[in-house]
Amino acid sequence: SQQGEEDPQALSIQEGENATMNCSYKTSINNLQWYRQNSGRGLVHLILIRSNEREKHSGRLRVTLDTSKKSSSLLITASRAADTASYFCAGMDTDKLIFGTGTRLQVFP
Amino acid sequence: DAGVIQSPRHEVTEMGQEVTLRCKPISGHNSLFWYRQTMMRGLELLIYFNNNVPIDDSGMPEDRFSAKMPNASFSTLKIQPSEPRDSAVYFCASSLRRGGDETQYFGPGTRLLVL
Repeated sequence: SQQGEEDPQALSIQEGENATMNCSYKTSINNLQWYRQNSGRGLVHLILIRSNEREKHSGRLRVTLDTSKKSSSLLITASRAADTASYFCAGMDTDKLIFGTGTRLQVFP
Repeated sequence: DAGVIQSPRHEVTEMGQEVTLRCKPISGHNSLFWYRQTMMRGLELLIYFNNNVPIDDSGMPEDRFSAKMPNASFSTLKIQPSEPRDSAVYFCASSLRRGGDETQYFGPGTRLLVL
């Protein structure tokens, strides 16, 4: 399977804490994207980082990419209860996305 | 914009029956993707189209699965005959292909239960 792996599989934190999720992928990629999925809903795009970038910020999100290790991380700072969701990384392989297994984040108020 | 529209949202059927899932992509998008999500296998790409042409159907599990995109605003995923192991959430997504940095917009999914 080309599917990437995410770590941890599940994460529980208190509001205000930071959440870090890691992703490893197997193939060469053009970019890496992070998506969020609320329970019972479709996935929503959060942020994209190109293969020639190392770090990117968007609001409370910070993404890093290490192509030599085929890994990425997503940091959510000052988490909120509304951040409770599953988070997926996805590597763009030519013109299709290969999704990771996801991290389930629970933020307690 | 209405986003990606999928129908039905829920489908319960009996083994052996034909199931047809429908998708309307975002207007102007030229790529369409069908995914299947289960607890065991996660999110799997089944097939995708560029400009209504199937590009990669290597993820389609068996000949029982078929997908069509007769025009830019409509696609179907058909399972015939359906089996209990086909039970999953099926997502359609669309994107505007522009040379590498495409992001995908997902529909709400169709939750399929085959008894």
